[in-house]
Amino acid sequence: NAGVMQNPRHLVRRRGQEARLRCSPMKGHSHVYWYRQLPEEGLKFMVYLQKENIIDESGMPKERFSAEFPKEGPSILRIQQVVRGDSAAYFCAAGLMNTEAFFGQGTRLTVV
Amino acid sequence: QQQVKQSPQSLIVQKGGISIINCAYENTAFDYFPWYQQFPGKGPALLIAIRPDVSEKKEGRFTISFNKSAKQFSLHIMDSQPGDSATYFCAASIGNFNKFYFGSGTKLNVKP
Repeated sequence: NAGVMQNPRHLVRRRGQEARLRCSPMKGHSHVYWYRQLPEEGLKFMVYLQKENIIDESGMPKERFSAEFPKEGPSILRIQQVVRGDSAAYFCAAGLMNTEAFFGQGTRLTVV
Repeated sequence: QQQVKQSPQSLIVQKGGISIINCAYENTAFDYFPWYQQFPGKGPALLIAIRPDVSEKKEGRFTISFNKSAKQFSLHIMDSQPGDSATYFCAASIGNFNKFYFGSGTKLNVKP
């Protein structure tokens, strides 16, 4: 996974709580992509960020979901007021511009 | 709508056999077609990729065949091994290297 760290690996939240998922790319990798994988399905693009900028958020649900990639620190995918349908594996991929981005091991979110 | 359709959903192959997974796409603007391999609990890892200006690409036991006119591409795994047992995803992108439309995945089981 070329050093892309995601945490936590597993996250359990009750309906209505907030979920924060973190993605730490290797140093110097300034492009981050978030994907969601529902059970038995392929990955769906959510958002593409560069440091301090959201470049493409065409796959993000309009409400409750937000993402950031600050100048310092990891990229954060935030889900407010989680619902059962948010239960999925969330993957980030990170890399340099116009090169392969490497996927992390994912965060498996379970909403109970 | 699903931009990339993948089949079969699951596949069982004997050790030493050939595994074949197929994908079809609609958008002729796609210009990059990777295949990813995913083991349980892990993130997807790039296996092999092709651009539409070639009809075939081979890397070791893995070959992509690409038919631009039919808008189809396939992954062939020669001499399949139990260690190849994983879920395989085809994907496609336009321009941006890492914003992918993924197929729904094929779970491959190679029997010893």
